[in-house]
Amino acid sequence: KQEVTQIPAALSVPEGENLVLNCSFTDSAIYNLQWFRQDPGKGLTSLLLIQSSQREQTSGRLNASLDKSSGRSTLYIAASQPGDSATYLCAVRPIQGAQKLVFGQGTRLTINP
Amino acid sequence: NAGVTQTPKFQVLKTGQSMTLQCAQDMNHNSMYWYRQDPGMGLRLIYYSASEGTTDKGEVPNGYNVSRLNKREFSLRLESAAPSQTSVYFCASSTRAGSTEAFFGQGTRLTVV
Repeated sequence: KQEVTQIPAALSVPEGENLVLNCSFTDSAIYNLQWFRQDPGKGLTSLLLIQSSQREQTSGRLNASLDKSSGRSTLYIAASQPGDSATYLCAVRPIQGAQKLVFGQGTRLTINP
Repeated sequence: NAGVTQTPKFQVLKTGQSMTLQCAQDMNHNSMYWYRQDPGMGLRLIYYSASEGTTDKGEVPNGYNVSRLNKREFSLRLESAAPSQTSVYFCASSTRAGSTEAFFGQGTRLTVV
């Protein structure tokens, strides 16, 4: 059974820092991995989707990498801002049971001005 | 661009009452999902519909029923609400030609008293 883990559960850093959020998964047989952002009381917003054949994807200050063989993905946020404060979730789409995204528990990020 | 629209946004039910959560997407996606999100439990899949005309159980289907009314709409019904069904419910959709990126609605906060 695919399991997704995000460590740490919470992270607090000063504004301006570059930071890395981690996501690990137990089964490398995946179609893709997706990173989401969730603001308090809101839905999930898709940030980046990485296909299994890709190594990374970039959008603005965000860069997501994927190492499928080791079961790891990282989300790099450059020059963090208070508006980046949110919970970040990663989810994998397994090849077995491809209709179902499997989510991590998320990392709650706080950027301090 | 509406994306995924859920109604209602908030609901309070008494134990034993029934209700239907509505979800519609305008992205021509084939697949639709219902998740619940609880503190400490993360996102758990209740039911999904891989394509119009099909529905399947997820991790936590007990106490729920679904209907894929057409390609756009996927409803979740609670026949006899229980306090354990107090949660935030999210509808999501994904999968069209060339993309499996998932998009989420803004959620329905349900309280059962």
